[in-house]
Amino acid sequence: EAQVTQNPRYLITVTGKKLTVTCSQNMNHEYMSWYRQDPGLGLRQIYYSMNVEVTDKGDVPEGYKVSRKEKRNFPLILESPSPNQTSLYFCASSSSLAVARNEQFFGPGTRLTVL
Amino acid sequence: KQEVTQIPAALSVPEGENLVLNCSFTDSAIYNLQWFRQDPGKGLTSLLLIQSSQREQTSGRLNASLDKSSGRSTLYIAASQPGDSATYLCATGGDSNYQLIWGAGTKLIIKP
Repeated sequence: EAQVTQNPRYLITVTGKKLTVTCSQNMNHEYMSWYRQDPGLGLRQIYYSMNVEVTDKGDVPEGYKVSRKEKRNFPLILESPSPNQTSLYFCASSSSLAVARNEQFFGPGTRLTVL
Repeated sequence: KQEVTQIPAALSVPEGENLVLNCSFTDSAIYNLQWFRQDPGKGLTSLLLIQSSQREQTSGRLNASLDKSSGRSTLYIAASQPGDSATYLCATGGDSNYQLIWGAGTKLIIKP
């Protein structure tokens, strides 16, 4: 089954404790992206990757890091989480770099709480 | 810069009613507009994608329309069912083809 998986699905942590949210897709997609969703706001893009070793900032990259060492994986790293990073995070992938023109597939989301 | 707005933020209707969800955007130079459904714990599912050259797109009980000149799209749901309860999001292109700009969504509740 074609899917995007994220782990963990739920995470409660404390300020400053480094964490990684993993994302994996089995569709051989080149394009992957991370979004955060906050109440009353639309999804905002954090980082995206157009291929292995190619990443770029989205609209809200501060406080986040990503890496793309393999085509299928695109982990999101919070080196020193802060409470304002409490949010619902989505990973997405697409066969086309032009996501404004083509379908994206989304993971189930990771709900992160930073105390 | 493209901005996408969805009003209302929440909507509750009795089962069986036909309903319309609204999406507006500020920059009419779009390539397409996409409607998504969000269920808690299940991520986002693409419902309909309307190309800029199209006026509407249909899938089952769903019909999405697009009026670029007025910067509006609507999602029509016929004969609503409790299973239609979810948050509906619309999104369209921003300044880059690598990015979607999202509305905040309309939370729909269908009462049995």
